[in-house]
Amino acid sequence: GAGVSQSPSNKVTEKGKDVELRCDPISGHTALYWYRQRLGQGLEFLIYFQGNSAPDKSGLPSDRFSAERTGESVSTLTIQRTQQEDSAVYLCAGNRVWNEQFFGPGTRLTVL
Amino acid sequence: DAKTTQPTSMDCAEGRAANLPCNHSTISGNEYVYWYRQIHSQGPQYIIHGLKNNETNEMASLIITEDRKSSTLILPHATLRDTAVYYCIVRVVGGTSYGKLTFGQGTILTVHP
Repeated sequence: GAGVSQSPSNKVTEKGKDVELRCDPISGHTALYWYRQRLGQGLEFLIYFQGNSAPDKSGLPSDRFSAERTGESVSTLTIQRTQQEDSAVYLCAGNRVWNEQFFGPGTRLTVL
Repeated sequence: DAKTTQPTSMDCAEGRAANLPCNHSTISGNEYVYWYRQIHSQGPQYIIHGLKNNETNEMASLIITEDRKSSTLILPHATLRDTAVYYCIVRVVGGTSYGKLTFGQGTILTVHP
């Protein structure tokens, strides 16, 4: 596709359930980032993938959060045992390293 | 990456130039100034970046002071669609810092008729 796509666009879940968020980056974008944006706040970095290098997981807030990426394609962000404080918009971005990042529209997660 | 300071909010009349300031007094020699904006309910969008020279593209101009401690993003003819949160970000390009963006609170720009 022409841009970064994310699915689902909205997700409502019950506290304690697991959720999986998906990101399809632009073809050729070797770097992929996940960010979280709570209501009225700026973006928080979560995790970064670059090719076959070990991902930088330094932004993941707890061990309930994990992410996978196969090669330079789709990435999934998984949140286990969701809590209400996990409610946020989860944004994915990609780029060719050092170039500007292209962001997806985000997944709005609401944990009841 | 250096910290940035931006006004919380600004207003601008449609058709006029919007000048958004950013202070980055602790910027180091290998750090670039990047600007992104986020329109409501959308992901951030890249606008422009620069190191020390002024830059211009189809969206905006970036003016960086000679000492590089501050910069101004200029939208020459603001439209209602330019209403957004504007983020000024300073980051190293190259070396071991791979490009993670550190977003502050940004400036809420409201363009009114």
